[in-house]
Amino acid sequence: KNQVEQSPQSLIILEGKNCTLQCNYTVSPFSNLRWYKQDTGRGPVSLTIMTFSENTKSNGRYTATLDADTKQSSLHITASQLSDSASYICVAIPSARGSTLGRLYFGRGTQLTVWP
Amino acid sequence: DVKVTQSSRYLVKRTGEKVFLECVQDMDHENMFWYRQDPGLGLRLIYFSYDVKMKEKGDIPEGYSVSREKKERFSLILESASTNQTSMYLCASRQVPGELFFGEGSRLTVL
Repeated sequence: KNQVEQSPQSLIILEGKNCTLQCNYTVSPFSNLRWYKQDTGRGPVSLTIMTFSENTKSNGRYTATLDADTKQSSLHITASQLSDSASYICVAIPSARGSTLGRLYFGRGTQLTVWP
Repeated sequence: DVKVTQSSRYLVKRTGEKVFLECVQDMDHENMFWYRQDPGLGLRLIYFSYDVKMKEKGDIPEGYSVSREKKERFSLILESASTNQTSMYLCASRQVPGELFFGEGSRLTVL
């Protein structure tokens, strides 16, 4: 069964600290994985995409990793800011030949709160 | 800038009313989606459409229907709203194999 699991469910950190969010997936055949950031009351916005062959990718203070063998991804946030408070959603995307017309698989998200 | 626009950010309806949620995208995407998002449950797929007049049921289609008469517009219809349909509704569009773009969401409250 295609599935995406995220941990932790919620996380509180102090401003300036680092944190790492985890995503495990069982989607197969696998094409790529995206991390989305969703501010409260807004739609999700893409942070980064990881393809099958990529191990690490950075986008400013966000660094995503992917281990295709263990089917795990992580999102590391460096020097957190108050504006990082949001829900972070992991989305696994199957390859076109295996998907049902573009279906994607979502984790339930990690709610990150950054305190001053 | 790419854009997915949902017609209403906030709606309050009464039980039994018919509700229309409209979504328009300006990217000529073939795939469009309707999700609902509830605390602790994440995003759940209601319906998606892969072409004009084509639609497929998602994971929770009961109580909903959709319409896609034009490529850029995908509508979600609640024929007779119920209180358990109170939720955040998110529209999204995508051109396979690209990024999924979301609208800002429509928060529906059914009294």
